[in-house]
Amino acid sequence: DAKTTQPNSMESNEEEPVHLPCNHSTISGTDYIHWYRQLPSQGPEYVIHGLTSNVNNRMASLAIAEDRKSSTLILHRATLRDAAVYYCILSRYGGSQGNLIFGKGTKLSVKP
Amino acid sequence: GAGVSQSPSNKVTEKGKDVELRCDPISGHTALYWYRQRLGQGLEFLIYFQGNSAPDKSGLPSDRFSAERTGESVSTLTIQRTQQEDSAVYLCASSAGTTWQTQYFGPGTRLLVL
Repeated sequence: DAKTTQPNSMESNEEEPVHLPCNHSTISGTDYIHWYRQLPSQGPEYVIHGLTSNVNNRMASLAIAEDRKSSTLILHRATLRDAAVYYCILSRYGGSQGNLIFGKGTKLSVKP
Repeated sequence: GAGVSQSPSNKVTEKGKDVELRCDPISGHTALYWYRQRLGQGLEFLIYFQGNSAPDKSGLPSDRFSAERTGESVSTLTIQRTQQEDSAVYLCASSAGTTWQTQYFGPGTRLLVL
C-alpha cells in the first residue's frame, strides 16, 4: 500500500482556518484519499474522502493536488472540539485488503 | 441510528487469563474490522471479516489471538493467556462492504493486563 507522510503536530487558534497537509507521492490511480480523526479517548471517525476532485462536506474540505501526490484537509473555522489526531490514509478501490493503514497522523492543538 | 458498540468498555485482567471482547456492528454492514491501539501509538490492523468470505487474519500478532463472527452480526475477539504487552485499546469498526467504504468505529475496549 502507498504510504502517506504528515507533520507530527500542528497548532491553530480557535475560529481560524486550519490546513493539514499530507504527502502521498506513490499514490496509484485507484487509491482513494481518506481522512479520519481521533478525538481523545475515542475511536477514529470519518472526516472526508476523495479521488481526484476537491470535496466539501459539513465537517471539512479536501483539496487534492492535480498530480494527486499531495492533499490538504481544510477546517474552515477551528473549534476547541477539533483538537484531535488527524489521519490521512490511502485505500485502494477493489483491493483485497479491507483494513485501513493508519500512520501516526497529525496531532492538532487548538488554542482559545 | 445506532453506531458500533463494544463491550466491555474497560477490562482489567491478570496475566495468563483469557479475555473476550465483543463488537456489535452497524446493522446491515457486511464488513467488520478489529484494530489494536497501544498507548500513544497508531492503530494496528488485527483481522477483517467480509460477508461469508474467509476472514483476513494477517494482522493477528500471535496464535493467542482469535476472532469469530456469526453471519453479519456480532463479533468476538478472544485473547488467550494474556500478557502485559496485550494491554491496549481494542477498536472495532464496520463498513457497508466494499474495501473503500467508510469505516465506522466503536468506542473501543480498554484492556489492562496486570
